[in-house]
Amino acid sequence: DQQVKQNSPSLSVQEGRISILNCDYTNSMFDYFLWYKKYPAEGPTFLISISSIKDKNEDGRFTVFLNKSAKHLSLHIVPSQPGDSAVYFCAAILDPGGSEKLVFGKGTKLTVNP
Amino acid sequence: DGGITQSPKYLFRKEGQNVTLSCEQNLNHDAMYWYRQDPGQGLRLIYYSQIVNDFQKGDIAEGYSVSREKKESFPLTVTSAQKNPTAFYLCATGGRANTGELFFGEGSRLTVL
Repeated sequence: DQQVKQNSPSLSVQEGRISILNCDYTNSMFDYFLWYKKYPAEGPTFLISISSIKDKNEDGRFTVFLNKSAKHLSLHIVPSQPGDSAVYFCAAILDPGGSEKLVFGKGTKLTVNP
Repeated sequence: DGGITQSPKYLFRKEGQNVTLSCEQNLNHDAMYWYRQDPGQGLRLIYYSQIVNDFQKGDIAEGYSVSREKKESFPLTVTSAQKNPTAFYLCATGGRANTGELFFGEGSRLTVL
């Protein structure tokens, strides 16, 4: 049973517009949420995270929104750039300081067209 | 230079052969992980180790084996028992205690001929 779901396998947007990547989760006990970005044939790199006690975290062009009541988070990229084209993974963890492991979604492939 | 080194980056194997993927880190992280990535499947956890001389099975451990004799090293052996070994393998270390963030290596692409 998937605890972290990214229901859109792919997303295509125009350069300069907003990209919105969505992620749903089933376990209300998740304490921390992370987004990773992955280029082909490379390892994922950490992008941005949010604690369950917050509803928004912003870092430059990237903003993550958390809606705990809906068990939903989203990553906004504004403005989108061709270099943002990659696979984005949403991940969640129950207890970052303990022995719990990150749970990943299946990823969304973002294509930003020039 | 601190980081995670995976080798080889590309590897070809004949059916029935075991192969070992190397993962070395100098980040002084206690925890190390092996993930497998297949198209449309995301990142699936194979094995992980929270401390030297100890490791646990992940979600898809069948056909794989690991060892953790040193803090810096966590090699993964893909055995002939693994039915579909062709994949992209990622080693990771953890991580920030307050976020669970993992740091990933560059990956190893294994192709079974």
